[in-house]
Amino acid sequence: DTEVTQTPKHLVMGMTNKKSLKCEQHMGHRAMYWYKQKAKKPPELMFVYSYEKLSINESVPSRFSPECPNSSLLNLHLHALQPEDSALYLCASSPQTVTNYGYTFGSGTRLTVV
Amino acid sequence: DQQVKQNSPSLSVQEGRISILNCDYTNSMFDYFLWYKKYPAEGPTFLISISSIKDKNEDGRFTVFLNKSAKHLSLHIVPSQPGDSAVYFCAASAMGNGGSQGNLIFGKGTKLSVKP
Repeated sequence: DTEVTQTPKHLVMGMTNKKSLKCEQHMGHRAMYWYKQKAKKPPELMFVYSYEKLSINESVPSRFSPECPNSSLLNLHLHALQPEDSALYLCASSPQTVTNYGYTFGSGTRLTVV
Repeated sequence: DQQVKQNSPSLSVQEGRISILNCDYTNSMFDYFLWYKKYPAEGPTFLISISSIKDKNEDGRFTVFLNKSAKHLSLHIVPSQPGDSAVYFCAASAMGNGGSQGNLIFGKGTKLSVKP
């Protein structure tokens, strides 16, 4: 299995909802990432997990809460989002944060906040 | 089959000289290309991008060139500095109309070492 799987592929949520995005990989990668990509913009790094511990938080608002329950799973909990948070959320993984190779992205979750 | 290829795993350049990192792609549907820079123990961070409607995009010391007919792009760093030493990833996407619609496909990266 050489893929990063993200679910759901599409999500529409209201501003008062609580939802979660899920990311899963079974490549034995120990580093996992969340990216946010707005239309016609490049992906922007949000969080980095290394060995199930949060190592980088790029000043992301607290309405986004990451969680890494084990080495294969990465969640992004969403609460009280704003319409401007609508974007494509990409998960990625790599063997380690120091690796040169094996960096793999998921296909993303298209989030719409109404 | 790799759709985005960075055939040079590593590159060593003297400080002050030009660094040229190359990237080839096979999917003619790709219309948006990015370069990411990654330091050890950090996540990749966006560096510069180019749309397929352009053949050049410049940002300070960094310039990306796109040759659509050859399905080739390159990143030029002039002048190179020791702080530029990192792994550089080329990435491509089929943005289509209305924004991002597809997965971001990364190359395997080129490790750049800039020596003082």
